[in-house]
Amino acid sequence: DAGITQSPRHKVTETGTPVTLRCHQTENHRYMYWYRQDPGHGLRLIHYSYGVKDTDKGEVSDGYSVSRSKTEDFLLTLESATSSQTSVYFCATRDRGPSSYNEQFFGPGTRLTVL
Amino acid sequence: DQQVKQNSPSLSVQEGRISILNCDYTNSMFDYFLWYKKYPAEGPTFLISISSIKDKNEDGRFTVFLNKSAKHLSLHIVPSQPGDSAVYFCAASAWDTDKLIFGTGTRLQVFP
Repeated sequence: DAGITQSPRHKVTETGTPVTLRCHQTENHRYMYWYRQDPGHGLRLIHYSYGVKDTDKGEVSDGYSVSRSKTEDFLLTLESATSSQTSVYFCATRDRGPSSYNEQFFGPGTRLTVL
Repeated sequence: DQQVKQNSPSLSVQEGRISILNCDYTNSMFDYFLWYKKYPAEGPTFLISISSIKDKNEDGRFTVFLNKSAKHLSLHIVPSQPGDSAVYFCAASAWDTDKLIFGTGTRLQVFP
């Protein structure tokens, strides 16, 4: 498995506060992803990165921004957290090459609660 | 619009029997399919995959079958073990994208 860590692992915050989640990988994988997991919805892509400073939106990107200044780090920011952003957030990485034949490796997740 | 569907939220199987998890997709551009397994409080882990040029891929107790005409794939686990109790996600991708589309998951419980 790729060495992927996420911090913090748990966070409780209040509506309207900014929140930043960090994903760190040690495998030098080119691609990094942020997902959220919610009951009845499975895993939904928020944003992803295909290289340093290269990012793109996923299917549920509203209210979220990302940054990737180094290969190993991918940050997810909630500028003003809302209760609808209460979820479990997973980071994933993928090596170079076409999407086919290249699985993604997931981090352990961050449980975020917005009160 | 859900492009990847897992219509069974849960499945209960006796230890030693076969578990069959199903997945349907709507996008004919998908050409690579994966299954992930997820335990509580952990991230998903890759289990097995199949490309659209095949109709079957086997890895130990796990076999994935792909029926392209029906846009359907299934994961067979034989024999099922209590340690297989987890949530299983089906995922799909197209050759020209960098993204996976996940289903909603099926919770498998294997009882003694």
